[in-house]
Amino acid sequence: QVELQESGPGLVKPSETLSLTCTVSGVSISSHYWSWLRQPPGKGLEWIGYVYYSGATNYNPSLMSRVTISIDTSKNQFSLRLTSVTAADTAVYYCARHAFKAPFDFWGQGTLVTVSS
Amino acid sequence: EVVMTQSPATLSVSPGERATLSCRASQSVTSNLAWYQQKPGQSPRLLIYGASTRATGVPARFSGSGSGTEFTLTISSLQSEDFAVYYCHQYNNWPPLTFGGGSKVEI
Repeated sequence: QVELQESGPGLVKPSETLSLTCTVSGVSISSHYWSWLRQPPGKGLEWIGYVYYSGATNYNPSLMSRVTISIDTSKNQFSLRLTSVTAADTAVYYCARHAFKAPFDFWGQGTLVTVSS
Repeated sequence: EVVMTQSPATLSVSPGERATLSCRASQSVTSNLAWYQQKPGQSPRLLIYGASTRATGVPARFSGSGSGTEFTLTISSLQSEDFAVYYCHQYNNWPPLTFGGGSKVEI
């Protein structure tokens, strides 16, 4: 059974860097694409970017200048770094799995990250 | 960027009634369109992919149709557990992968 679990600080100060990790179990991370998405409270879903097991990445142009997604196949984990955060980055952050030109079929439970001093 | 527009924003229906939700893409996404259901405090659940294929375990009362720029999700007879927010998602053109703004189905 495929499971994804996000982890990381729930509170980040403005201008600092948000860092989250997604731990994948039940399947090898050395296949499929692995994405980060977010959802501000009461709002819709926004795709942040994905990483492939080879390390290749693709980002949402609206966030590209601040985002880095990386993968650690030895730990079956992938990670998100978002720099220079503001209150607008407050959201529930999800990790999810998908194939090439395919929908997100497995999601983590999500983790709320609040940007506040 | 492919902009996805959903309507209505909110649909008020009674249990047992039929619900029809619409999703329009700003350019053709062929059949690379998915629908998700999200309940409060939960992550989205994949319902439909390829515009019309039900995901594993999804009841037959959920059906999807359309191609190109116009898509529909139909719930034939609403059950109490179907009251939720529904999102469409295109995975044909990226970056970025995009979602509609959501349609809330309420009692």
